[in-house]
Amino acid sequence: GEDVEQSLFLSVREGDSSVINCTYTDSSSTYLYWYKQEPGAGLQLLTYIFSNMDMKQDQRLTVLLNKKDKHLSLRIADTQTGDSAIYFCAENAGANNLFFGTGTRLTVIP
Amino acid sequence: DTGVSQNPRHKITKRGQNVTFRCDPISEHNRLYWYRQTLGQGPEFLTYFQNEAQLEKSRLLSDRFSAERPKGSFSTLEIQRTEQGDSAMYLCASTPTESNQPQHFGDGTRLSIL
Repeated sequence: GEDVEQSLFLSVREGDSSVINCTYTDSSSTYLYWYKQEPGAGLQLLTYIFSNMDMKQDQRLTVLLNKKDKHLSLRIADTQTGDSAIYFCAENAGANNLFFGTGTRLTVIP
Repeated sequence: DTGVSQNPRHKITKRGQNVTFRCDPISEHNRLYWYRQTLGQGPEFLTYFQNEAQLEKSRLLSDRFSAERPKGSFSTLEIQRTEQGDSAMYLCASTPTESNQPQHFGDGTRLSIL
């Protein structure tokens, strides 16, 4: 079945790196995604990684994928106050729709 | 490219009333998805369309819910005889036809049932 788990909260100081972790269960997932949601808004696609990759870097964002352990992480370098939001990990689990975790609320302390 | 557009942004209604939401996907995106997000949770899949065909419905989509995409462009989601438990954010997303392209979301419609 599809079960995506994330820790609920993360606090970091401005300028530090943030690491948000996610575990998923379905090995048939071909893509894994990170979305950002600000209060009252929809989901903004941040980045995504194909399952045969180990790492993807995009400016301040680094995604690491450990397919053996079904573990995905998102690292945000030089975290800014504007990065405060809820971050969702999602997998496609071989289906047409996405399965989301409960989200990690990132708080950046000035 | 104006992104996925959803209307209204907020809807407040009394229990038992019918409500309808609209989603305009990114132009030329053939696939359109509806999700529901309750407070403190991630989005949950409701249904999706490939052009005008509704290809999949989740068990969350009770018989009070109906979605349409008559011309393969915009879509509507109607909830009949609303209940307290229908209070949620309803999100729409779209992708091109190619599988595994990332889904792009609109800002959602927040429904509050009094």
